[in-house]
Amino acid sequence: GAGVSQTPSNKVTEKGKYVELRCDPISGHTALYWYRQSLGQGPEFLIYFQGTGAADDSGLPNDRFFAVRPEGSVSTLKIQRTERGDSAVYLCASSLMPGLADTGELFFGEGSRLTVL
Amino acid sequence: ELKVEQNPLFLSMQEGKNYTIYCNYSTTSDRLYWYRQDPGKSLESLFVLLSNGAVKQEGRLMASLDTKARLSTLHITAAVHDLSATYFCAVFPGGGADGLTFGKGTHLIIQP
Repeated sequence: GAGVSQTPSNKVTEKGKYVELRCDPISGHTALYWYRQSLGQGPEFLIYFQGTGAADDSGLPNDRFFAVRPEGSVSTLKIQRTERGDSAVYLCASSLMPGLADTGELFFGEGSRLTVL
Repeated sequence: ELKVEQNPLFLSMQEGKNYTIYCNYSTTSDRLYWYRQDPGKSLESLFVLLSNGAVKQEGRLMASLDTKARLSTLHITAAVHDLSATYFCAVFPGGGADGLTFGKGTHLIIQP
């Protein structure tokens, strides 16, 4: 597609539920990133994929968070047993060059706003 | 741990004025990015600064990088209302880490 596409744009769930957030990167971009942005804050790195593998998952806050990218394109961020503190906008970004090796310019989607009641 | 600090965090200014946003970071890096974000929208890449002394300009915005001082600036010349947005700087930490570290953002309001 023309840009990074994220679905759903908004998700409201109850505490304890499971959610999945989807990211469709720009066609041909091998690097994919998930970030989380809380109100009034800058984006916080969660995980980076190069192709199908998670090359850096150091930003995932705990084991309730997991992400996959089985075919090296679309990625899904999965959150188990959601908590109110998980409420945030989850941003996905992709880039052409792997691992920020070139200019490293990231192209961001518009985010999925998650609200946990 | 890399820390990125922006100041000011909030700025209200009048059209036609000049101002500078500052981005300081705590560890060595030679790669810094500036992004713009409008309310409810995605982050738009403005500048990529890849070396000490790099200066880039686009319209009324100019960004520079001093890696020795660990400082980047985003200068706004003769501000116009359309530049109202939140501006983020982000630093590439290197050392095997792949995720950019962002500042908290500068919320800029330009009043007619």
